[in-house]
Amino acid sequence: AQTVTQSQPEMSVQEAETVTLSCTYDTSESDYYLFWYKQPPSRQMILVIRQEAYKQQNATENRFSVNFQKAAKSFSLKISDSQLGDAAMYFCAYRSPHYGGSQGNLIFGKGTKLSVKP
Amino acid sequence: DTGVSQDPRHKITKRGQNVTFRCDPISEHNRLYWYRQTLGQGPEFLTYFQNEAQLEKSRLLSDRFSAERPKGSFSTLEIQRTEQGDSAMYLCASSLGDREGEQYFGPGTRLTVT
Repeated sequence: AQTVTQSQPEMSVQEAETVTLSCTYDTSESDYYLFWYKQPPSRQMILVIRQEAYKQQNATENRFSVNFQKAAKSFSLKISDSQLGDAAMYFCAYRSPHYGGSQGNLIFGKGTKLSVKP
Repeated sequence: DTGVSQDPRHKITKRGQNVTFRCDPISEHNRLYWYRQTLGQGPEFLTYFQNEAQLEKSRLLSDRFSAERPKGSFSTLEIQRTEQGDSAMYLCASSLGDREGEQYFGPGTRLTVT
């Protein structure tokens, strides 16, 4: 069974600075997807960025980028130029592709609470 | 595209009562997922529908839980004889059934069992 581990329960960053959130996962599959989701306080979960395992190039979405190390099974999220609105819980998640009988549900880590200091 | 909606947003019930939650997915999405999130944890998978068929249930889904998705549109999740351990946020997500299918989440229903 696949597992996702986020070893940083809480992180803090100064506004305009850069912060990196860590995530490791365990799987025997070679094809899969990895995601970072953001869950602001009392608001719904939204997708920040996704990475397909078959792509070597790291995904980038504006101020958000990932460092995907497939061999090490590591998937960290870098937030550049941090803004007050980035404060939230961040969840790393794994998903098998939609074939071979997989239901495609997401497997989440426990999350990292990010605080942004003005 | 109005997004995934869930109703009610909050529910307080007494132990032993039955509760039902509703999820309305994005209209063209054929896959629908229910997750449960307890305080300080990430969401955990409960069950999944492809159209109207319930294709997978997690071991977390005890016999007191039942889910339906009639006509492959909205879905309901019912908990019978609620227990204090059922207190959690219940999240619904929907996606297209293609390989790339990204899951879009609703705002969740927060259940408190007293």
